[in-house]
Amino acid sequence: DAGITQSPRYKITETGRQVTLMCHQTWSHSYMFWYRQDLGHGLRLIYYSAAADITDKGEVPDGYVVSRSKTENFPLTLESATRSQTSVYFCASSGTNYEAQYFGPGTRLTVL
Amino acid sequence: AQSVSQHNHHVILSEAASLELGCNYSYGGTVNLFWYVQYPGQHLQLLLKYFSGDPLVKGIKGFEAEFIKSKFSFNLRKPSVQWSDTAEYFCAVNEGNYGQNFVFGPGTRLSVLP
Repeated sequence: DAGITQSPRYKITETGRQVTLMCHQTWSHSYMFWYRQDLGHGLRLIYYSAAADITDKGEVPDGYVVSRSKTENFPLTLESATRSQTSVYFCASSGTNYEAQYFGPGTRLTVL
Repeated sequence: AQSVSQHNHHVILSEAASLELGCNYSYGGTVNLFWYVQYPGQHLQLLLKYFSGDPLVKGIKGFEAEFIKSKFSFNLRKPSVQWSDTAEYFCAVNEGNYGQNFVFGPGTRLSVLP
């Protein structure tokens, strides 16, 4: 039972490069979410998706792009990485909009 | 907008001490409430959740939480902590309308001294 996985687990990139973080869940959950976790800010929602081909912005969407062509995948792309995007990124999923969210192991991204 | 506050930034306890972590939210309507734990270097794991019914909710690892609607609170408790409870604890609230309204508190770091 894989649950929810993220790849890569660690990534170092340079300013201006495009980076894609992958998220895959095996529960067929309708809802998927991307958060970033930073010291002093806790967890902040970047984007979420209610179903395949339905996505919407969260609290901090600028500089990020998401897509959801398949229910099980929800990639997050940083089109032109900036140092302020250095963070730990968590993907989560839930069966409905009101149930608990289940989190992936996270991706630690460093932008030099 | 919905907000969630957690009373303590960092709590330090000795093993066997009792724990209570405060959580307050701002929304006056129907809410779903959650507590998550994040062990060092790991992802968030669900401790317990409240949707309706008995306001005293029991979760995993001996944790429980009490929903007090009149106080907009959902405090987490454990009668006797262990060193392995050292972690960060997050309260979260969902208004039940849309994922955007799933709001996390800033977290409380718990350090348990052996």
